Amino acid sequence: GESVGLHLPTLSVQEGDNSIINCAYSNSASDYFIWYKQESGKGPQFIIDIRSNMDKRQGQRVTVLLNKTVKHLSLQIAATQPGDSAVYFCAENEEGDGQNFVFGPGTRLSVLP
Amino acid sequence: ETGVTQTPRHLVMGMTNKKSLKCEQHLGHNAMYWYKQSAKKPLELMFVYNFKEQTENNSVPSRFSPECPNSSHLFLHLHTLQPEDSALYLCASSRGQGYVQETQYFGPGTRLLVL
Repeated sequence: GESVGLHLPTLSVQEGDNSIINCAYSNSASDYFIWYKQESGKGPQFIIDIRSNMDKRQGQRVTVLLNKTVKHLSLQIAATQPGDSAVYFCAENEEGDGQNFVFGPGTRLSVLP
Repeated sequence: ETGVTQTPRHLVMGMTNKKSLKCEQHLGHNAMYWYKQSAKKPLELMFVYNFKEQTENNSVPSRFSPECPNSSHLFLHLHTLQPEDSALYLCASSRGQGYVQETQYFGPGTRLLVL
């Protein structure tokens, strides 16, 4: 039979609110992580990255949190704007295999006016 | 703009056609990648080139044939594709140190439909 594709989670937030997008990873040897944003009709755009020797990193309106104990990554967007509407996905990489990233399925963020 | 361009942006082809996708990067990078993005599936790595040499072929069917004439250009030649090959094909580039984890920068993709 036909295999079932992954269901893309959706997060709807009110404009001006904070957004939190989560990502679980499975490889305990992964030590470099990237968040990408993909708008409709465009390729993935780098947002922020973090290495495993850190548990938090801040950018402009975005913060990435890494919890290695439970293999969990989150992206926080402050004061969410309509332009933030997109699919967000995480990518993980293991040291020694610098070009082979494993990508998550993504979360669709919808910003409500 | 990320500095990675792809043409065409949209392509419709029959199963017996031969077509090529083109990618060009203006970032001075030495590594280039082809990815496939299907609906409801994570990004799938297809090929990796470092300094024009193919260093990764992720079990891709032979109906997809990559070509990297120089570090700035990457092609994906397509022939006798199947409808299930319909997807968004993304090109990416990175500095190309291989063993060092490096950010990949993506082009806008080519939306391919195989009839």
